[in-house]
Amino acid sequence: QVQVVESGGAVVQPGRSLRLSCVGSGFLLRRFSMHWVRRAPGKGLEWLTTLSEDRSTIYSIDSVKDRFTISVDDSKNTLYLQMNNLRTEDTAVYYCTNGHGSRDYFFDFWGQGTQVTVSS
Amino acid sequence: DIVMTQSPLSSLVTLGQPASISCRSSQSLVHTNGITYLSWLHQRPGQPPRLLIYRVSNRLSGVPDRFSGSGAGTDFTLKISRVEAEDVGVYYCVQATQPPFAFGGGTKVEIK
Repeated sequence: QVQVVESGGAVVQPGRSLRLSCVGSGFLLRRFSMHWVRRAPGKGLEWLTTLSEDRSTIYSIDSVKDRFTISVDDSKNTLYLQMNNLRTEDTAVYYCTNGHGSRDYFFDFWGQGTQVTVSS
Repeated sequence: DIVMTQSPLSSLVTLGQPASISCRSSQSLVHTNGITYLSWLHQRPGQPPRLLIYRVSNRLSGVPDRFSGSGAGTDFTLKISRVEAEDVGVYYCVQATQPPFAFGGGTKVEIK
């Protein structure tokens, strides 16, 4: 059975750093591109960043490109999001999810998310 | 970057009645391989998103057949033929044709 568990969320002050983790079970992360998505309070889902299946390419939205870094440890089946210089507008629930792999669809594995609150 | 625009922002529907959500992209979502990577997801309050439809019109296994997707190019539609109580929540379209990927702003479905 596929499971995704995000962790690492916390209440932090603006300018501080945080690292989120996403552990997969029941599937191998190395067979998929992986993504981070967030939902801020009162707003919709926002796609943030992806790491390609071959781990050679990263795409990110402009607002996080210079502050957030996606990485993976395939030996631990774990995805990470290093978040630096956090801003109040980064307050959100953060989710990791999967790409296509060898299948026709994507974004079908989700965890409950982890809450990040940036506040002074 | 591709921008995804959904309408309406919210929809108040009577149980058993149909609902329709529109999603428009600022550029064609047809990939160079001919596939259109447009999906629909549903998020209930306090829950993670759930994939419903992929490649415009394909229902994921286990998704009720009252959900259907259609469209091509830049215009797409999600239809619920008869809304049930469990269908409340926010619906999102998302494109994965060209990075950066992008979600629509969401459509909130509520029951009258």
